[in-house]
Amino acid sequence: DQQVKQNSPSLSVQEGRISILNCDYTNSMFDYFLWYKKYPAEGPTFLISISSIKDKNEDGRFTVFLNKSAKHLSLHIVPSQPGDSAVYFCAASGSGFQKLVFGTGTRLLVSP
Amino acid sequence: DTGVSQNPRHKITKRGQNVTFRCDPISEHNRLYWYRQTLGQGPEFLTYFQNEAQLEKSRLLSDRFSAERPKGSFSTLEIQRTEQGDSAMYLCASSLGGGGRTQYFGPGTRLLVL
Repeated sequence: DQQVKQNSPSLSVQEGRISILNCDYTNSMFDYFLWYKKYPAEGPTFLISISSIKDKNEDGRFTVFLNKSAKHLSLHIVPSQPGDSAVYFCAASGSGFQKLVFGTGTRLLVSP
Repeated sequence: DTGVSQNPRHKITKRGQNVTFRCDPISEHNRLYWYRQTLGQGPEFLTYFQNEAQLEKSRLLSDRFSAERPKGSFSTLEIQRTEQGDSAMYLCASSLGGGGRTQYFGPGTRLLVL
């Protein structure tokens, strides 16, 4: 039962263009969503989060959009840089429980 | 400002041996979490503590696994009688608690059971 899904295992983008990573969830109890970036052999690094009371949150080059009716969120990276190449995980939690539920990740490759 | 630290970073052991991992959370964080990540998957929740109290355990946490957080500071995760299926990256995270729901992860401990 995969409650958080990232259906694109990989994404290739050219430097300077926009990267759009997508995430879908099924549990309507989720009310807090996060994106993490992970390099090999390292722990996940927090990027940006959004509460369900908002539909957009922006931090520098990173913007997260939340569409509650569609149970969909996306991470936009503009402009993309080669250093952004990593695996990106979407995660969700609910007010009634503390654990994070993760998707399976999307590998982003930004080429010069 | 130190982040979450984990030791050791790598552990190789033989099947049947016991192993113990340590996690030191961000100092003012009262919530501490353990996750496990296998190849091609996202991290999966194992257990979490609020201060010294262990408040939730996943069904992934078999009776060979035990976690403690004495005095509400660092935490240890012990695996007894390791099996090859225990090979994974073990991740620790901490959060402020209350309204602070963002979890910050350590570098992980990679376990290989031969």
